[in-house]
Amino acid sequence: GENVEQHPSTLSVQEGDSAVIKCTYSDSASNYFPWYKQELGKGPQLIIDIRSNVGEKKDQRIAVTLNKTAKHFSLHITETQPEDSAVYFCIMTSYDKVIFGPGTSLSVIP
Amino acid sequence: EPEVTQTPSHQVTQMGQEVILRCVPISNHLYFYWYRQILGQKVEFLVSFYNNEISEKSEIFDDQFSVERPDGSNFTLKIRSTKLEDSAMYFCASRGFWYEAFFGQGTRLTVV
Repeated sequence: GENVEQHPSTLSVQEGDSAVIKCTYSDSASNYFPWYKQELGKGPQLIIDIRSNVGEKKDQRIAVTLNKTAKHFSLHITETQPEDSAVYFCIMTSYDKVIFGPGTSLSVIP
Repeated sequence: EPEVTQTPSHQVTQMGQEVILRCVPISNHLYFYWYRQILGQKVEFLVSFYNNEISEKSEIFDDQFSVERPDGSNFTLKIRSTKLEDSAMYFCASRGFWYEAFFGQGTRLTVV
């Protein structure tokens, strides 16, 4: 069946350092690759997404890179700040399925 | 900015009671979803709904669960006879023609 994996499951970085989270998916038909951020007590919120015709997308300190051949995409956060501390989910989306990865808990240490 | 709203934000219920969790998706969206997240665990898919019927459901979504879109705006999740292990955050999401899914803030269900 469909599967989504994320690595690492937890990540601690010093404020100002970069953080990278990798997502591997199984459905080769997927063509939309989003990352969601979930802060404590809140619902997941979209922070960046990429479509299969693009290899990289950047929005200020956040970027997503896609390797469709290898079926993985990564979230890159530069110059991390304490407010980046949260759980990050990649999602595999196709036609009517929206399947969450297991999540990565990011802690940014001031 | 359009948003998905869920009510109530927190519901406490006695084991064996029925609960209805309510969601107002973004208008003109086509796909609707329910997920649950047990504290500290991953977000689990429950059910997807399209064209006024269930399009897919997980093994968690057994006969105790049902969904409805009674009036074209609300999207409800009913649990007929709650169990202690139903305690979780329940998230509703909706999606339009494109793939971006919008999530509500969740309902925290506590079964005592």
